[in-house]
Amino acid sequence: QLQLQESGPGLLKPSETLSLACTVSGGSISSNRYYWGWIRQPPGKGLEWIGSVPYSGSTYYSPSLKSRVTISVDTSNNQFSLKLSSVVVADTAVYYCARSLVGAMGDFDYWGQGTLVTVSS
Amino acid sequence: QSALTQPASVSGSPGQSITISCTGTNRDIGGYNYVSWFQHHPGKAPKLIIYEVSNRPSGVSNRFSGSKSGNTASLTISGLQAEDEADYYCNSYTSGTTLEFGGGTKLTVL
Repeated sequence: QLQLQESGPGLLKPSETLSLACTVSGGSISSNRYYWGWIRQPPGKGLEWIGSVPYSGSTYYSPSLKSRVTISVDTSNNQFSLKLSSVVVADTAVYYCARSLVGAMGDFDYWGQGTLVTVSS
Repeated sequence: QSALTQPASVSGSPGQSITISCTGTNRDIGGYNYVSWFQHHPGKAPKLIIYEVSNRPSGVSNRFSGSKSGNTASLTISGLQAEDEADYYCNSYTSGTTLEFGGGTKLTVL
């Protein structure tokens, strides 16, 4: 059974860089069949897609976050990561990592449990 | 503000059917058959319940069904049960090679 688990700091100050990792277990991240993505949910609000990346190839980012986001894959540790620079209070959210299929980028069939990241001075 | 519009809330009694709409444009829902629906119980991970407009993943109850007409996708839940009370989100592939989620719909089972 595939499992995804987010990890990273839970508290940041404005202007810092958010760095999260998603460890994949029960399967290999090195497959051309899947995208690995990040989605977030601010408190009291809905889901927001951040971006998705295949094992190799182009990355796809939300236009509203593209200038601050980097998603990358680390095959040696079977992980993928999210970096969001210059965070502001509005970046406070539960961040989820998830898997979807190449050719059906929005079909997120496996999700992590989510990790709360708070941005506060 | 989400690009995909969902009603903020819907409600129904046990055993009834409800439908949640998700309205976009011809650059997303209307242009592609890549609409997914997720069930989200607070504090848990979202769960994929419909993919590619009308397909159910293995293990998802056949009480959940999806459809699309023009720029609007719909999720129907029949035979409402108490455990269906949750937030529901649609998402769609877009012409910009991106994804958009709807704003979410809170389902209350009366």
